[in-house]
Amino acid sequence: GAVVSQHPSWVICKSGTSVKIECRSLDFQATTMFWYRQFPKQSLMLMATSNEGSKATYEQGVEKDKFLINHASLTLSTLTVTSAHPEDSSFYICSARQLYSNQPQHFGDGTRLSIL
Amino acid sequence: GQQLNQSPQSMFIQEGEDVSMNCTSSSIFNTWLWYKQEPGEGPVLLIALYKAGELTSNGRLTAQFGITRKDSFLNISASIPSDVGIYFCAGHGAGKSTFGDGTTLTVKP
Repeated sequence: GAVVSQHPSWVICKSGTSVKIECRSLDFQATTMFWYRQFPKQSLMLMATSNEGSKATYEQGVEKDKFLINHASLTLSTLTVTSAHPEDSSFYICSARQLYSNQPQHFGDGTRLSIL
Repeated sequence: GQQLNQSPQSMFIQEGEDVSMNCTSSSIFNTWLWYKQEPGEGPVLLIALYKAGELTSNGRLTAQFGITRKDSFLNISASIPSDVGIYFCAGHGAGKSTFGDGTTLTVKP
């Protein structure tokens, strides 16, 4: 069964709305979670690394005030797209890794975000 | 930064044929991973490789961790229509994972 749950799977909302996406590790503790963005027919683009109890580390070019990440517990990280605009429309995917860093990441099913 | 070269970019094959794809890097990785992504879903882990030279199978899938730790390949034998999707390699090292650009596989019945 799924080890990482991502919610919601699809969001359609008006421009200017803030959208929160949740990522939960279901049967393991994840000190590190990752947030990716994927455009059609392209690879995964790492946006940020979310560490439990500390500030997220953002990749170059990713606006931290635009994409707010909170990792308040060992099983939950959230990504909030603030004041979303049509150019923020994309497929957002989270992943989580178990406590030992050599364990592979497990991915959520992704969230398709459409901003009208 | 670390980069992976994944090839081929896409493949169109007939059902029953074998498939081979690979990833190479100028950097050394501690772990090589292969994922499959279907439309509208997140990637699903297929095979994880942890040691140089390791050869691992998962059903019709076989993957190897290159001796130099800079490359890996994935083979799919006797392909079937449900093998369609995008296959990603990922190298893990220095605390982060780097993904290839993916190989899109189309299988014609």
